[in-house]
Amino acid sequence: GAVVSQHPSRVICKSGTSVKIECRSLDFQATTMFWYRQFPKQSLMLMATSNEGSKATYEQGVEKDKFLINHASLTLSTLTVTSAHPEDSSFYICSASGPPGLVEYEQYFGPGTRLTVT
Amino acid sequence: RKEVEQDPGPFNVPEGATVAFNCTYSNSASQSFFWYRQDCRKEPKLLMSVYSSGNEDGRFTAQLNRASQYISLLIRDSKLSDSATYLCVVSHGSSNTGKLIFGQGTTLQVKP
Repeated sequence: GAVVSQHPSRVICKSGTSVKIECRSLDFQATTMFWYRQFPKQSLMLMATSNEGSKATYEQGVEKDKFLINHASLTLSTLTVTSAHPEDSSFYICSASGPPGLVEYEQYFGPGTRLTVT
Repeated sequence: RKEVEQDPGPFNVPEGATVAFNCTYSNSASQSFFWYRQDCRKEPKLLMSVYSSGNEDGRFTAQLNRASQYISLLIRDSKLSDSATYLCVVSHGSSNTGKLIFGQGTTLQVKP
């Protein structure tokens, strides 16, 4: 199946700093990428949907100025958590889906990035 | 109220047992339904799609009742490796390539 990678897998940062997380589709072109967040013992919550070359669509309650998403190419999307605070500590997971006609047409998840803000 | 509701468990069962998980969804516009499996601190992985006619994949059987807005997953002959969190997922689109709405997950622990 198609592979999605995320980097870094784990990051610890100090409160007030910014953190960038990369999501890459390694062997297919991802027309759409999604960013999810999962707090302990809770469900994955969609934060935003991004299509290559256009602005991301954010879910209600997600601050677009705090969570900057860039989908500059068909294989790379980045999520930047600006001025991170301890309450932003979470498991951030990206996923990607390719265009119709892809052999295995589904949404592929990256391995996730565990962010801890101290 | 959450759009997808699941009993978080945990369900503790012995190896070889049959276990069933249930899920309800509130949005009647939901079109596609799935069960995902998530291991601790890992990403979710698609276990199976769920169809109105019911579908089976080895030891796993999924059922959908659109009238009751209810989805189930049955696992027969549980293995230790089945221990994980099972996520009920719905989509308003026709596949799982669009926005997915996840339930909280039901934790299964299979014991020897």
